[in-house]
Amino acid sequence: GENVEQHPSTLSVQEGDSAVIKCTYSDSASNYFPWYKQELGKGPQLIIDIRSNVGEKKDQRIAVTLNKTAKHFSLHITETQPEDSAVYFCAATHRYGQNFVFGPGTRLSVLP
Amino acid sequence: DAGVIQSPRHEVTEMGQEVTLRCKPISGHDYLFWYRQTMMRGLELLIYFNNNVPIDDSGMPEDRFSAKMPNASFSTLKIQPSEPRDSAVYFCASSYRQGLEDIQYFGAGTRLSVL
Repeated sequence: GENVEQHPSTLSVQEGDSAVIKCTYSDSASNYFPWYKQELGKGPQLIIDIRSNVGEKKDQRIAVTLNKTAKHFSLHITETQPEDSAVYFCAATHRYGQNFVFGPGTRLSVLP
Repeated sequence: DAGVIQSPRHEVTEMGQEVTLRCKPISGHDYLFWYRQTMMRGLELLIYFNNNVPIDDSGMPEDRFSAKMPNASFSTLKIQPSEPRDSAVYFCASSYRQGLEDIQYFGAGTRLSVL
């Protein structure tokens, strides 16, 4: 089955700097890769996703890149703000309606 | 829509008691997922339903866990009897098709403490 690894487990950056979180997956059949943000006391919320036929996708300050050959994808957050502080999860799946396999999460702290 | 609604938000119970967690998915969504989140194991899928039918329950840890979806607007996750190691945050999520992928919308979770 699919296995998703995520690094780093914790990340601290200064406000205004960029943050990068990386994930690798094992199943070459995976073709959909969402990123979720979880704030304290809340459920995860989708912030961006990417399909296997796209190499990069951007939405304002966040972007995701995908390298299918290497089986890894990354989340990039530019101009970080304190409200970006949260736990971020990557996930992978290859079948509609099939469960996502989530990475273990990255705790991002943006220091003012 | 109010989003995925879970109740209760917090549950404290004693070992051996029955616990029932409830979920109301977003109207129109045809998939419903139950997850468990712990520090040690992260987010784990327990079971998911499609059109009220359980599709994959391979993540359910033991026979003490059971889930039902009697209609499109309600699901329960039951633990009987509960044990301290069941303490975790339980999330319900629902989804619909957008193109070829799902977008899962999570509820706020139920924090379960078994003493």
